[in-house]
Amino acid sequence: AQKVTQAQTEISVVEKEDVTLDCVYETRDTTYYLFWYKQPPSGELVFLIRRNSFDEQNEISGRYSWNFQKSTSSFNFTITASQVVDSAVYFCALKGERGSQGNLIFGKGTKLSVKP
Amino acid sequence: DAMVIQNPRYQVTQFGKPVTLSCSQTLNHNVMYWYQQKSSQAPKLLFHYYDKDFNNEADTPDNFQSRRPNTSFCFLDIRSPGLGDAAMYLCATSSASGIGADTQYFGPGTRLTVL
Repeated sequence: AQKVTQAQTEISVVEKEDVTLDCVYETRDTTYYLFWYKQPPSGELVFLIRRNSFDEQNEISGRYSWNFQKSTSSFNFTITASQVVDSAVYFCALKGERGSQGNLIFGKGTKLSVKP
Repeated sequence: DAMVIQNPRYQVTQFGKPVTLSCSQTLNHNVMYWYQQKSSQAPKLLFHYYDKDFNNEADTPDNFQSRRPNTSFCFLDIRSPGLGDAAMYLCATSSASGIGADTQYFGPGTRLTVL
């Protein structure tokens, strides 16, 4: 079975703080893809990153960074120097090599509130 | 800019009155998806089209139907909306091949209210 767990339901920080959103996944597939999406209050799901199972390099994009560790089945997301505009629900998702084309498994999401 | 467009952004319908939501894309992706998202929940896949092949999720109610007349457009029809169908409906697209295959790109969503 495939599963994505985002244990943090809600996080509240003050602007300029660093914050890490946790994501733990389960899959028996050897090839799989992991994603992070941002959903601001407007409702649109915005694609942030995709990582395949063979690429464990960490990635940095501006204030965003991602730490992929196969040994712990985790794909954590860190926002450095958070800003009010980072307030949103963040979803981690998994797609395995088996299953249908549409088989994107979402976590339940973490709601991040950044206060000024 | 290439994108996924959904119309309308907000839709109000009456209990039992059929409603159609539309989605179009300029990404030329061959896969299109419809998701239902209720408050404080993750998106739930209803069905998807791989080219013209329709793939229904096992637990999608018969009340929900879809049409894809061409590559660019996909419609979600709710034949007899109930109060429980009030939700955000998200359309997404992906390419089945090439760099970035399987990454789903979402539209802004249509928020459906059922009175």
